[in-house]
Amino acid sequence: ETGVTQSPTHLIKTRGQQVTLRCSSQSGHNTVSWYQQALGQGPQFIFQYYREEENGRGNFPPRFSGLQFPNYSSELNVNALELDDSALYLCASSPGQGAGVHYGYTFGSGTRLTVV
Amino acid sequence: DQQVKQNSPSLSVQEGRISILNCDYTNSMFDYFLWYKKYPAEGPTFLISISSIKDKNEDGRFTVFLNKSAKHLSLHIVPSQPGDSAVYFCAASVKSGGFKTIFGAGTRLFVKA
Repeated sequence: ETGVTQSPTHLIKTRGQQVTLRCSSQSGHNTVSWYQQALGQGPQFIFQYYREEENGRGNFPPRFSGLQFPNYSSELNVNALELDDSALYLCASSPGQGAGVHYGYTFGSGTRLTVV
Repeated sequence: DQQVKQNSPSLSVQEGRISILNCDYTNSMFDYFLWYKKYPAEGPTFLISISSIKDKNEDGRFTVFLNKSAKHLSLHIVPSQPGDSAVYFCAASVKSGGFKTIFGAGTRLFVKA
């Protein structure tokens, strides 16, 4: 079985631009969560999607938005990029909205976003 | 608002000895606690979890202890191996408008051969 795949691996954007990050969840997983990890910190929860619906959100402004597709792949969109958005963005999947908290999420290797 | 805290940025242990990683939390509504391990250039990997209704869970060399009254949990690794050298994240989950998992800042473990 394949794991979680994220693209691109690295990205450089200019302040004010928009960015889309992509994630293919592990086969059989219908729940996807996105996290932001700044340098020296733990991952911070952005939001979770279950069967194409957002069903949980952390303390991130509305310019962070997402989508989940029928094949359970997902996108994270960030508008009006700020310098502080520079971070590692991690996607995680699980076979059900509650499964991740019981049995752990499967994480991708992340997308390193640099905003200049 | 750091609801999950790992106060030790790093820990160094001799191979074969016990590693103890600590974590404190503030939200009494957390119902599951998890530990993840992360190697450089990889995403976190799930290690072990514990329900808030239990006080211990064991899986091979890894044991997690939960002290709800102290809002404290710990991960014991015994015996420690050089391959255990990584960053360890404590995480806690709550169902509030969907499931949210909050991570600590991590502890870097060095296991010396």
